[in-house]
Amino acid sequence: QSALTQPASVSGSPGQSITFSCTGTSSDVGGYDYVSWYQQHPGEAPKLITYGVSKRPSGVSNRFSGSKSGNTASLTISGLQTEDEAHYYCSSYTSSATLIFGGGTKLTVL
Amino acid sequence: QLQLQESGSGLVKPLQTLSLSCAVSGGSVGKNDYSWNWIRQPPGKALEWIGYIYDVGNTYYNPSLNSRVTISLDKSKNLFSLNLTSVTAADTAVYFCARGSWLYSFFDSWGQGALVTVSS
Repeated sequence: QSALTQPASVSGSPGQSITFSCTGTSSDVGGYDYVSWYQQHPGEAPKLITYGVSKRPSGVSNRFSGSKSGNTASLTISGLQTEDEAHYYCSSYTSSATLIFGGGTKLTVL
Repeated sequence: QLQLQESGSGLVKPLQTLSLSCAVSGGSVGKNDYSWNWIRQPPGKALEWIGYIYDVGNTYYNPSLNSRVTISLDKSKNLFSLNLTSVTAADTAVYFCARGSWLYSFFDSWGQGALVTVSS
């Protein structure tokens, strides 16, 4: 299985909104509403940000929102803050009953 | 509150077997409400799902690692384990254990990670 496709890097200024993309196929992202997003700061374990495409776990800021169109899922961060600087990974369930991650996007807050 | 803690050898010789365990506290690996996953991350690279287990004997593995991976469950010790055979330098990574939710297939709790280096 090939990794989901994410841009290597994205940058934004404090207060702005930015959107990450995550592109798969009809056998994963496009076939199921089972896309989740994770935030990872250096040296730490990933943290769940959204699941089920657009659901947020308790305790996660409503500045984070997820969506999906066809084979591409997206994560939007509004009101960008310096602490949002991290790597972001998408993940999806697949038709083979396996899980797959994207290559990750590094967010730089300028 | 659920906690997961990886343990095992941090240095493995090439062609030998990598073995890690994940001790679970605040929850039971014996319940089928969740899957129990291994995920790895080579230095400076992306996350890679290795596989999961639920109940004893029910496993799914990443096809790229399928022939070398075994994940097992020990209900009496409330832990699950990873064996990866015939390792090479490409298997050097931080290995995370994580709990997976059946509904929506996401990982809601993670261990802190264990660095395993493959080197002679």
